[in-house]
Amino acid sequence: SYDLTQPPSVSVSPGQTASIPCSGDKLGDKYVCWYQQKPGQSPTLVIYRDNKRPSGIPERFSGSNSGDTATLTISWTQAVDEADYYCQAWDSGTVVFGGGTKLTVL
Amino acid sequence: QVHLQQWGTGLLKPSDILSLTCAVYGETFSSSSWSWVRQPPGKGLEWIGEVHYNENTDYNPSLKSRVTILVDTSKNQFSLMLTSLTAADTAVYYCARGPAMVRGEGMDVWGRGTTVTVSS
Repeated sequence: SYDLTQPPSVSVSPGQTASIPCSGDKLGDKYVCWYQQKPGQSPTLVIYRDNKRPSGIPERFSGSNSGDTATLTISWTQAVDEADYYCQAWDSGTVVFGGGTKLTVL
Repeated sequence: QVHLQQWGTGLLKPSDILSLTCAVYGETFSSSSWSWVRQPPGKGLEWIGEVHYNENTDYNPSLKSRVTILVDTSKNQFSLMLTSLTAADTAVYYCARGPAMVRGEGMDVWGRGTTVTVSS
């Protein structure tokens, strides 16, 4: 099976840039999506096709994907960005999620 | 605007069959793929499977032997059946639109989730 690895937690100060990595074998050869989930809520898609933002997602959210690592970057991080973030890719026609990263805005 | 409404039995016993339904509003079912995703308490997201626009299905290999996703295009609904339940199937179950692998598009519309508890 294909595994996507994320750090359990990332901390950032308000106004700073947060980077959340997602690693997998030759991940750069696959498309990656990112989801934000706040407590008690359904996930929200924030990045698709490695670096595209859905309508309504702030420009502060960006993504990249190369080699074995995809990265979600949140610029000028705000308290409202505190949430769990999940990467997602495909392997052999099946969907795979990373384990999730809890972003804390201190 | 696309909206998903889901429902189903929330409390089940071991060995029972889980049955959940998701109704699609604001879009023709055949225009997208549709997925089921679950999240055990305090844990991450797990993809269960999806039904494509042509009604073909793909399942998580770890659940494939117990999962069936059915479609009722006349009602614009799709359903999840999961057999041989154990406590490990306790989770919030979500339906979602997407993803689309070829285009790299993710799951962009989600239902509100149904809490399913498996307990004797």
